[in-house]
Amino acid sequence: NAGVMQNPRHLVRRRGQEARLRCSPMKGHSHVYWYRQLPEEGLKFMVYLQKENIIDESGMPKERFSAEFPKEGPSILRIQQVVRGDSAAYFCASSPPPGGTEAFFGQGTRLTVV
Amino acid sequence: DAKTTQPTSMDCAEGRAANLPCNHSTISGNEYVYWYRQIHSQGPQYIIHGLKNNETNEMASLIITEDRKSSTLILPHATLRDTAVYYCIVRYLNRDDKIIFGKGTRLHILP
Repeated sequence: NAGVMQNPRHLVRRRGQEARLRCSPMKGHSHVYWYRQLPEEGLKFMVYLQKENIIDESGMPKERFSAEFPKEGPSILRIQQVVRGDSAAYFCASSPPPGGTEAFFGQGTRLTVV
Repeated sequence: DAKTTQPTSMDCAEGRAANLPCNHSTISGNEYVYWYRQIHSQGPQYIIHGLKNNETNEMASLIITEDRKSSTLILPHATLRDTAVYYCIVRYLNRDDKIIFGKGTRLHILP
């Protein structure tokens, strides 16, 4: 059973470009979380989704950031018009429906904005 | 905000038991205690969780006090590979509940 897969592992974007980060959950998992980790800082919750529905987006910046988890395919975290401050590691986790147990994390995407 | 408080850092000698404390005095009756760790820049790794009974798996043991206001994660024979930041989290299990990480405890295993 493959774990949570994130790609790309490393992404370099110039200021003003768009960044798309993908997260494929574990088989059978219907819920996905996204987190951001700035260098030398903790994990900050961004958004919690289930297929075709956003459950909690209280940690998402109001502008430029969006997330989706379609019926088919991976979850996507999209950052438009990136700025240097967006440089960070972005982690996703997946879990079974409520009633399941632990959430499993991917290895992250390191975004560098130049 | 995280509902837990942990020491900022701890040291433990290799081969000894590492005991990591966590306070969660406002935990509600249906919230579970979860432990994760993050080894340098990797994705967080699930360790163990429990409600009120002590739990043990191949990685660690979790001791929860009777009043559930605090808990201790025990790594029975720490190795250098256990050097990581350890996070104690409380969350509901059978409902949609996000996972909120605090600052965690940076555990240094000393050779």
